Amino acid sequence: EAQVTQNPRYLITVTGKKLTVTCSQNMNHEYMSWYRQDPGLGLRQIYYSMNVEVTDKGDVPEGYKVSRKEKRNFPLILESPSPNQTSLYFCASSITGGDWEAFFGQGTRLTVV
Amino acid sequence: QKEVEQNSGPLSVPEGAIASLNCTYSDRGSQSFFWYRQYSGKSPELIMFIYSNGDKEDGRFTAQLNKASQYVSLLIRDSQPSDSATYLCAVTYNFNKFYFGSGTKLNVKP
Repeated sequence: EAQVTQNPRYLITVTGKKLTVTCSQNMNHEYMSWYRQDPGLGLRQIYYSMNVEVTDKGDVPEGYKVSRKEKRNFPLILESPSPNQTSLYFCASSITGGDWEAFFGQGTRLTVV
Repeated sequence: QKEVEQNSGPLSVPEGAIASLNCTYSDRGSQSFFWYRQYSGKSPELIMFIYSNGDKEDGRFTAQLNKASQYVSLLIRDSQPSDSATYLCAVTYNFNKFYFGSGTKLNVKP
């Protein structure tokens, strides 16, 4: 089954404690991206990757890091989480070209206290 | 700042009616436009995309694009209660960065 898998689904952490949210896709997609979704603000792009070792900033990259060492994985790293990073996070992947249909993961609800 | 604006709603329509959802965008260089549906507590799923001026139909859904006026709309014909969801408009100008509106919540009343 074609899917994008995020882990964990729910996470409560404390300010400053480094964390990683994993994202893996099994569709051999070149493009992957991370978004955060906040009430009233919609989805905002954090980082994206066009292929292995090719990453770039989205609209709200501050406080986040990513890496793309393998095509299927695109982890999101919060080196020192702060309460304003409390949000619902989505990873998405798509082929490049064509209809650019993005397949989204199930979401990770992160709370930073 | 590239902006995508949507009326947050909720938009309420009776079952069987046409639901009309609108989206405006600020960047005239935007190339492609997407409509996603997001059920409460779920992830977004693509309904359709459009990149040329005019209408594009897919089943009960029609996307309309007017680049001169910088708006894109989604019409849902014969609305069903199962269409009740939040509809997200997204635009891209380079297929690297994607900009989403905050979504319009649609309620279809039986």
